[in-house]
Amino acid sequence: DSGVTQTPKHLITATGQRVTLRCSPRSGDLSVYWYQQSLDQGLQFLIQYYNGEERAKGNILERFSAQQFPDLHSELNLSSLELGDSALYFCASSAFGGTETQYFGPGTRLLVL
Amino acid sequence: AQSVTQPDIHITVSEGASLELRCNYSYGATPYLFWYVQSPGQGLQLLLKYFSGDTLVQGIKGFEAEFKRSQSSFNLRKPSVHWSDAAEYFCAVGVGGGSYIPTFGRGTSLIVHP
Repeated sequence: DSGVTQTPKHLITATGQRVTLRCSPRSGDLSVYWYQQSLDQGLQFLIQYYNGEERAKGNILERFSAQQFPDLHSELNLSSLELGDSALYFCASSAFGGTETQYFGPGTRLLVL
Repeated sequence: AQSVTQPDIHITVSEGASLELRCNYSYGATPYLFWYVQSPGQGLQLLLKYFSGDTLVQGIKGFEAEFKRSQSSFNLRKPSVHWSDAAEYFCAVGVGGGSYIPTFGRGTSLIVHP
């Protein structure tokens, strides 16, 4: 158990819908990362937050957005969903967002029908 | 931009045999290098990482990796594989500049025969 929690574990929805994925980092970790894992694209970095502020952005679509709240939990919002958004979404956390180890949550599996 | 190649999609070994998983990276300067393992239904777990110093890095679960700058490689090794090592293994490269976000390879699936 990494100490990172993600909810829900599974999500099934329809095209055009909007969903919110939630992540609680390990106790004391200030930085949160979101990744997408799909068969087509592999494992890709989406976005990083540090203490509530966006720090780095990767291959995140404009239809996707994220935020980190004052209690340090984070949410990833996916809107206007397409079939190709079906994937495993991971959240990871680290202490300060630098070279220290990232700890991954178990992921949320999203299926868009 | 940096990239990572894991040439082997699948590797099959017998339990007790040695293991080497290949990883090649592309980056102009000295990169930060990582190996992660993903067991079925689990998130990723860091096995080891290289930032600088000794090019032979020891990790958890008996794994080690060697950074070879001349070959742009960071291969993962284990002298004796256990059935519980069956998993997906990802090599990743990160760059500095204040952000150490890893770019992942496509992964190598390790199958362990009894």
